[in-house]
Amino acid sequence: SQQGEEDPQALSIQEGENATMNCSYKTSINNLQWYRQNSGRGLVHLILIRSNEREKHSGRLRVTLDTSKKSSSLLITASRAADTASYFCATPSTGANSKLTFGKGITLSVRP
Amino acid sequence: DAGVIQSPRHEVTEMGQEVTLRCKPISGHDYLFWYRQTMMRGLELLIYFNNNVPIDDSGMPEDRFSAKMPNASFSNLKIQPSEPRDSAVYFCASSYGGELFFGEGSRLTVL
Repeated sequence: SQQGEEDPQALSIQEGENATMNCSYKTSINNLQWYRQNSGRGLVHLILIRSNEREKHSGRLRVTLDTSKKSSSLLITASRAADTASYFCATPSTGANSKLTFGKGITLSVRP
Repeated sequence: DAGVIQSPRHEVTEMGQEVTLRCKPISGHDYLFWYRQTMMRGLELLIYFNNNVPIDDSGMPEDRFSAKMPNASFSNLKIQPSEPRDSAVYFCASSYGGELFFGEGSRLTVL
């Protein structure tokens, strides 16, 4: 079964707007990761947030983690057409930190 | 580094044929993962290795699937015999325990 579940499944926004994507998970984790996948390509790591962190920034990306609600959000500010991709959250399995389970992903379309 | 290298990028074969997918991980990485991606099931972890040793193959769908890692710079995933339901994109990824680095995938079509 999926550990991470992203929401919404699809998101369409205008260039310049912010995109917010959410991820919920079931069991305790020590970190959560977000990945991007462009059409026909492999996944690319975006950011890792540890369980003792509440917020992390990387360029136009902002990730939050709420361990009490078992949820995370990924915010892309001032979106660009090049941000069009699928976004996945990934969490490690209990007792096997290197074994990542991915959600089904969110398809983000940024209209120019 | 060239990143994780997978071959072939595309494979079309007929049901019953043997399929071999290959992966060269990033030098220095001690974990290697094989994932399968389909529209219906998303990304599924098939098997992963640590220091060339298989750690968890619980995601391998059935005995038709096998994976080996004879050395730190090579792994292969074999399907014998292949079936149409094996059609998917197969990804190899490597890491040193943190973030995963993915290859570009091998798109398999079984007719």
